[in-house]
Amino acid sequence: DVKVTQSSRYLVKRTGEKVFLECVQDMDHENMFWYRQDPGLGLRLIYFSYDVKMKEKGDIPEGYSVSREKKERFSLILESASTNQTSMYLCASSSSVATNEKLFFGSGTQLSVL
Amino acid sequence: DQQVKQNSPSLSVQEGRISILNCDYTNSMFDYFLWYKKYPAEGPTFLISISSIKDKNEDGRFTVFLNKSAKHLSLHIVPSQPGDSAVYFCAASAVRKAAGNKLTFGGGTRVLVKP
Repeated sequence: DVKVTQSSRYLVKRTGEKVFLECVQDMDHENMFWYRQDPGLGLRLIYFSYDVKMKEKGDIPEGYSVSREKKERFSLILESASTNQTSMYLCASSSSVATNEKLFFGSGTQLSVL
Repeated sequence: DQQVKQNSPSLSVQEGRISILNCDYTNSMFDYFLWYKKYPAEGPTFLISISSIKDKNEDGRFTVFLNKSAKHLSLHIVPSQPGDSAVYFCAASAVRKAAGNKLTFGGGTRVLVKP
């Protein structure tokens, strides 16, 4: 089974702090994604990466950056956390060679910015 | 502007009855559709999918119907069970590109199955 592991289940940070959310997958997937989930808005794509050192902006990249130095690891960075970034953050991965677009998700990180 | 919409934020159904979840999309380039299920404190898990070349796909108690002309899909759960209580997300994917395929999700529908 695919395992996508997010380093923290809960995080509490202060406004202005730099925040790192880490994600690791163990299935050698090429694609990795960061989404945030907010009530009524569903899951919105922040950034994704289809290869090491490659990244593409999703629908809501403002205030975020990402890093993918190794294939299995994809990090989301909040350069200066703000209260409107309080959310559930979900990492996902998928295979480029698969015949469908199925994503495998981690359990999520609930981030609170005070 | 949301390209994938789930207009019913919640649904309550009696155990054993049918649950029908609806999803509408606006992007005519979407060619693959999925449903995900999410329990609290867990990540979404894949439930069922359908390609745009089909109008129905069935997997056990779950059936997804696609009406391309109406840009509408629905998920039927028959019979509904208490363990089906969760949030269900509809998702869509556009034509495959050379690198990376992303899913666009709807806002979710919270389903409560009452014993």
